[in-house]
Amino acid sequence: KNEVEQSPQNLTAQEGEFITINCSYSVGISALHWLQQHPGGGIVSLFMLSSGKKKHGRLIATINIQEKHSSLHITASHPRDSAVYICAGTLMNYGGSQGNLIFGKGTKLSVKP
Amino acid sequence: NAGVTQTPKFQVLKTGQSMTLQCAQDMNHEYMSWYRQDPGMGLRLIHYSVGAGITDQGEVPNGYNVSRSTTEDFPLRLLSAAPSQTSVYFCASSYWDRANSPLHFGNGTRLTVT
Repeated sequence: KNEVEQSPQNLTAQEGEFITINCSYSVGISALHWLQQHPGGGIVSLFMLSSGKKKHGRLIATINIQEKHSSLHITASHPRDSAVYICAGTLMNYGGSQGNLIFGKGTKLSVKP
Repeated sequence: NAGVTQTPKFQVLKTGQSMTLQCAQDMNHEYMSWYRQDPGMGLRLIHYSVGAGITDQGEVPNGYNVSRSTTEDFPLRLLSAAPSQTSVYFCASSYWDRANSPLHFGNGTRLTVT
């Protein structure tokens, strides 16, 4: 069983829909990252959080440490949001905010106009 | 500001050949790391470094060597390439132990070993 599980694996939405991508982890982590990988292959960091909630534009990330669960929400989705969204955890047995990262397999999002 | 620069973008090797994937960053980041991305497997950490002279293994280190002689550069060496090392490789960097320090990724290197 993968230590970081994402759901769904694939997601198709209509433009304007509210989207939620889930990430659950089974190991102790000190930080949770959300990444976006565009069809061209480039990877961009969206959020890094260790508690609570963060918001950037139409993107919101939340984490529940007790339940070992994080969600990425996209409000008013747009075709340009089409990408693979990846969550990753920094293993807790390492110091600092980085270190040994473990990744989910990604959620492929397609937003139709 | 160039960010994280990876070279080459594409490479084809024959089994047994050696090569070095280059990674450089100009943001004075302490943390640098290498990942491979394979279909159905997601990203996996190969090696990482938290400063010059300090390196550590990730999830899949076998067949790869790294060194960190300067803050800016973190090359990944394949001493004897194998077909199982066919993959897309990404380098990333960030500040170490700073809150809200995002990872900055290079554009990737697509490696094929025949």
